[in-house]
Amino acid sequence: GAGVSQSPSNKVTEKGKDVELRCDPISGHTALYWYRQSLGQGLEFLIYFQGNSAPDKSGLPSDRFSAERTGGSVSTLTIQRTQQEDSAVYLCASRWTSFDTQYFGPGTRLTVL
Amino acid sequence: KQEVTQIPAALSVPEGENLVLNCSFTDSAIYNLQWFRQDPGKGLTSLLLIQSSQREQTSGRLNASLDKSSGRSTLYIAASQPGDSATYLCAVIGSNSGYALNFGKGTSLLVTP
Repeated sequence: GAGVSQSPSNKVTEKGKDVELRCDPISGHTALYWYRQSLGQGLEFLIYFQGNSAPDKSGLPSDRFSAERTGGSVSTLTIQRTQQEDSAVYLCASRWTSFDTQYFGPGTRLTVL
Repeated sequence: KQEVTQIPAALSVPEGENLVLNCSFTDSAIYNLQWFRQDPGKGLTSLLLIQSSQREQTSGRLNASLDKSSGRSTLYIAASQPGDSATYLCAVIGSNSGYALNFGKGTSLLVTP
């Protein structure tokens, strides 16, 4: 079946602009995660959605970052007033049960000029 | 806070060698540990998942062990091939909220023909 998909694959933007990144999880997966992979920083957790529960936003680095998940499926990560330090690969993952494997999308590479 | 460390950061071996990648974590209260592979410009591919009650998992030429009490895991790759060249990431799910993965920074492996 289809895996996790993300769009766009690459995004170049100017400092100060807002960007939206999209994630389509595997159908039926109840949990969805956003991670960020920065050069030299490794992979960092950003936000987690589980079903209809309120999202866990504990990993978001600032209030410029927000995310929503509509209808328990597609998710959008929004970064407002982008800064150069936001440049990274943003990865989305989904899973079925709590301790199941997380399946990752190919990521969106964001470059802020 | 859970800290995951991977040693070595980079490794170059000739084809055919057996090799071991190391992962350590500071908080032994984990639910499971996963090893992932990441190819340049690609997302993450799950290789092996070890539940906290397990000691090891095997898949083909890969064997991962887990010693939860000492906070260590190893990934053993037998008879390495050039196609094994990639970055290998270790990640644990601990008692932090949302069952988010805590990643190490990875080991970059190069297998030369």
